[in-house]
Amino acid sequence: RKEVEQDPGPFNVPEGATVAFNCTYSNSASQSFFWYRQDCRKEPKLLMSVYSSGNEDGRFTAQLNRASQYISLLIRDSKLSDSATYLCVVSLSSNDYKLSFGAGTTVTVRA
Amino acid sequence: NAGVTQTPKFRILKIGQSMTLQCTQDMNHNYMYWYRQDPGMGLKLIYYSVGAGITDKGEVPNGYNVSRSTTEDFPLRLELAAPSQTSVYFCASSYSKGDTRNTIYFGEGSWLTVV
Repeated sequence: RKEVEQDPGPFNVPEGATVAFNCTYSNSASQSFFWYRQDCRKEPKLLMSVYSSGNEDGRFTAQLNRASQYISLLIRDSKLSDSATYLCVVSLSSNDYKLSFGAGTTVTVRA
Repeated sequence: NAGVTQTPKFRILKIGQSMTLQCTQDMNHNYMYWYRQDPGMGLKLIYYSVGAGITDKGEVPNGYNVSRSTTEDFPLRLELAAPSQTSVYFCASSYSKGDTRNTIYFGEGSWLTVV
């Protein structure tokens, strides 16, 4: 079983729509969670960290469900510029140097 | 704002050739990493370093070597290139461990093809 699994998509949504997707992780001891964004043929960039109580950053909302071992990302009022691949990233603990990356969920926002 | 700089951006190698991917960062970060990204797969850690003079293996170190003689530089050496090493390589750095307080910054990537 992969350490981090994501639905590859693609999720094709119109501008202004809400899109949400999940990521599951296999190690229940995982402590740190992130969403990274990767544009086509570009490097990953941190979108947001995911905190236990859930957190928002503008139109983006991240949630963590430890009981079911998944994190989610919701994008409200989608913009064309949100088209990208979103990588779920998990680390075992704050002492762990080795992040586990999901393969990514592709989102395409159409006009 | 240079950040993490890696070269070359594109390279075609013949089987059995060797090469070095260069990586340098100007953020005075202690931690540096090399990842590879294959199509449809998550990034895999090749090697990492927690400071000058200290390196350690990641998940997929076979066929690669690294060194960290300075804080800034973390080159990745491919010896005897094989087609399985065709991939996109990302160098990255962070101030400390890659936890919620310390963002990992990536270079722009190096596209390597072994034929």
